[in-house]
Amino acid sequence: GDSVTQTEGPVTLSEGTSLTVNCSYETKQYPTLFWYVQYPGEGPQLLFKVPKANEKGSNRGFEATYNKEATSFHLQKASVQESDSAVYYCALSDPSNTNKVVFGTGTRLQVLP
Amino acid sequence: DPKIIQKPKYLVAVTGSEKILICEQYLGHNAMYWYRQSAKKPLEFMFSYSYQKLMDNQTASSRFQPQSSKKNHLDLQITALKPDDSATYFCASSQDRQGQNTLYFGAGTRLSVL
Repeated sequence: GDSVTQTEGPVTLSEGTSLTVNCSYETKQYPTLFWYVQYPGEGPQLLFKVPKANEKGSNRGFEATYNKEATSFHLQKASVQESDSAVYYCALSDPSNTNKVVFGTGTRLQVLP
Repeated sequence: DPKIIQKPKYLVAVTGSEKILICEQYLGHNAMYWYRQSAKKPLEFMFSYSYQKLMDNQTASSRFQPQSSKKNHLDLQITALKPDDSATYFCASSQDRQGQNTLYFGAGTRLSVL
């Protein structure tokens, strides 16, 4: 079945440092890939999505490239801020089963001032 | 204003009881979902509905029953509650069945079973 594996947290960084959260996926088809972010007390919300291989998605300084060959979708940010503290989920939607999204286990990021 | 309303925000129940979790969405979406989040299995898919019809069920137990009385409602009835059911339950919706569509989540109902 489809699966998503991502960096195990928590990840603790100082403000201004760079972030990489690794994400690898397994699926038989070519999925749409997503990054969702969840702040305390809220539901997850979309950070960005990439439907096509070899394309890049970005939002709020975060970016990730859909690497079909490596089956990866790593999240990066050059300089994190305290307000980026949240849980980040990598996810995929398999076109052969449009009824659900498969999420990774989430990576908790804490940014210290 | 929140576009997906989940009620109640917090719920405490005793083992063996029955509860209903309420979800209404005001985004005009055609597909709705339930996800469960716990320490053991973060964001676990449970059900998907499209135009009020059940499309996928990944919940092994029949104690969990979704109910859709209107297109923008998808409630979740849980019977014979167990402590293991303690989790935060998220309702979500998308324009149509998943594919490239973005999921929009409610704020969740945190259920504690004693």
